Amino acid sequence: KAGVTQTPRYLIKTRGQQVTLSCSPISGHRSVSWYQQTPGQGLQFLFEYFSETQRNKGNFPGRFSGRQFSNSRSEMNVSTLELGDSALYLCASSLVGHLEQYFGPGTRLTVT
Amino acid sequence: TQLLEQSPQFLSIQEGENLTVYCNSSSVFSSLQWYRQEPGEGPVLLVTVVTGGEVKKLKRLTFQFGDARKDSSLHITAAQPGDTGLYLCAGPNSGNTPLVFGKGTRLSVIA
Repeated sequence: KAGVTQTPRYLIKTRGQQVTLSCSPISGHRSVSWYQQTPGQGLQFLFEYFSETQRNKGNFPGRFSGRQFSNSRSEMNVSTLELGDSALYLCASSLVGHLEQYFGPGTRLTVT
Repeated sequence: TQLLEQSPQFLSIQEGENLTVYCNSSSVFSSLQWYRQEPGEGPVLLVTVVTGGEVKKLKRLTFQFGDARKDSSLHITAAQPGDTGLYLCAGPNSGNTPLVFGKGTRLSVIA
């Protein structure tokens, strides 16, 4: 079974721009979560989706948004990028109701 | 939000040595998970512990969940360079997030 895939793997953007990251979950996994990982803060939860609905949201500003499609694929968007948004963005999928997360390799975003 | 504190933050040891890393909280968790993350990759689930006092073994790795379900430890016997990575513990949050993660222990095993 193929794992979680994320595209792109690396991205360099300029302050003020916006970015869209994509995630394809493991086949059969309908829950998708997004995390931001930085050296200082560690892994921080952004949001969780299943059945195309946001079920939980972490403590991030409204510039961070996401969506899920009917095939469970998910995208997250960050608008008006700031330098502090530079991080590894990780997507994880799971079976609905299961806590075990299966992570993708992440998208490394650098904001200059 | 429940917090998980991991110690030590960094650990550098020689191949063949034993080590223990810790995951502590002031809150009770219904379960705890351990993940390992290698450079350039996402975390990979190693184990889930559910019952207080539970001990699980995965080859040279031994995981223990505290009796009060507020802490957990990971012991590695005869560490190998392949054990190098960031070890993260995580547990379900009583708030509105599915999992809360500790900041991790970064282990380096030198050949």
